[in-house]
Amino acid sequence: EAQVTQNPRYLITVTGKKLTVTCSQNMNHEYMSWYRQDPGLGLRQIYYSMNVEVTDKGDVPEGYKVSRKEKRNFPLILESPSPNQTSLYFCASSLSPPPSEQFFGPGTRLTVL
Amino acid sequence: GQQLNQSPQSMFIQEGEDVSMNCTSSSIFNTWLWYKQDPGEGPVLLIALYKAGELTSNGRLTAQFGITRKDSFLNISASIPSDVGIYFCAGPIYGGSQGNLIFGKGTKLSVKP
Repeated sequence: EAQVTQNPRYLITVTGKKLTVTCSQNMNHEYMSWYRQDPGLGLRQIYYSMNVEVTDKGDVPEGYKVSRKEKRNFPLILESPSPNQTSLYFCASSLSPPPSEQFFGPGTRLTVL
Repeated sequence: GQQLNQSPQSMFIQEGEDVSMNCTSSSIFNTWLWYKQDPGEGPVLLIALYKAGELTSNGRLTAQFGITRKDSFLNISASIPSDVGIYFCAGPIYGGSQGNLIFGKGTKLSVKP
């Protein structure tokens, strides 16, 4: 089944403890992206990747890192999480960059205490 | 930065009613995308619009690309309970980095049976 998977789905952590949220797609998509969703703010793009080893900042990249060593994986790294990074995170992928249809993962709900 | 303004923020309607929502920007867009997010899920693409004045339908949904290229409209006819969710407009930033996609804050639709 064609899909985007994210792990973990739920995570509660403490300030400053490094964490990684994994994202994987099995559709051979070139483009991948991370978003955060906060009440009243909609979806905001964190980072995106046009292809392997090509990543770029979105609108809210501060406090996040990404890597794209393989086509299928696009992990989101929080080196030192803070409470303002408590949010719902979505990974998405598409065959080519926007406006190509993006397929979203199920989301990761992160709470930073 | 560029913003997409969605209106209304939320709607409470009776089953069977028609729904209209819109998305506006102070900047020009070459593409308008409409996504729907079901409760607890990631967004799914409903309709993509590529040309000013374009009118496109997907079942009971109809979307239009405004002729000024600064707005778009989504209509849902004869709403049903499964129409419940958050509707987002989105678009790649014109003249910006390819790959950068911005979303509106969403219109939350509730349907009373």
